Amino acid sequence: AQRVTQPEKLLSVFKGAPVELKCNYSYSGSPELFWYVQYSRQRLQLLLRHISRESIKGFTADLNKGETSFHLKKPFAQEEDSAMYYCALSGYNDYKLSFGAGTTVTVRA
Amino acid sequence: NAGVMQNPRHLVRRRGQEARLRCSPMKGHSHVYWYRQLPEEGLKFMVYLQKENIIDESGMPKERFSAEFPKEGPSILRIQQVVRGDSAAYFCASRAGRGYGYTFGSGTRLTVV
Repeated sequence: AQRVTQPEKLLSVFKGAPVELKCNYSYSGSPELFWYVQYSRQRLQLLLRHISRESIKGFTADLNKGETSFHLKKPFAQEEDSAMYYCALSGYNDYKLSFGAGTTVTVRA
Repeated sequence: NAGVMQNPRHLVRRRGQEARLRCSPMKGHSHVYWYRQLPEEGLKFMVYLQKENIIDESGMPKERFSAEFPKEGPSILRIQQVVRGDSAAYFCASRAGRGYGYTFGSGTRLTVV
């Protein structure tokens, strides 16, 4: 069975401070990991895929297979980063996205 | 490309009525997924459809809920005899096939009064 855990429901940081959103997963095969962002009741937008190894809006995430983690990091948070962030997993031979419960990030001035 | 289009954006129904939620996938996408987001919770998979076929409906309640994706037209998520517990945001996602990224719609927020 596949499972995604985001232990922090709420995260509040000051503008300019580093931010890290934790994501742990369990999956027996080779997973594909994603981070999605949802700004104030809007659609979910793909932020990162682990296979692309990109940095989007200053965010990065590294897949750590040993720790089964895919934490999202940004060195300097901005107010516009305030949003709901979801970690999601899909198997390479699978089709469903399994989502974590989400982390609401609030960046304070 | 207009992206994944969902309508209506907001839907209010009285208990016992039917709710019909529509999803038009991105052009060229033949795979459609429906997810439900309950207040203060993450997204839960409901059903996966390809054109005219239901591939996996394991996340959908056995009663009152049904989904279709006809050869022509949008995918429809239908909820019969709605109850207050059906109030949620329903998101549709589409993709071109396995191995491709998912694109989400803006969702339909269903409120049952």
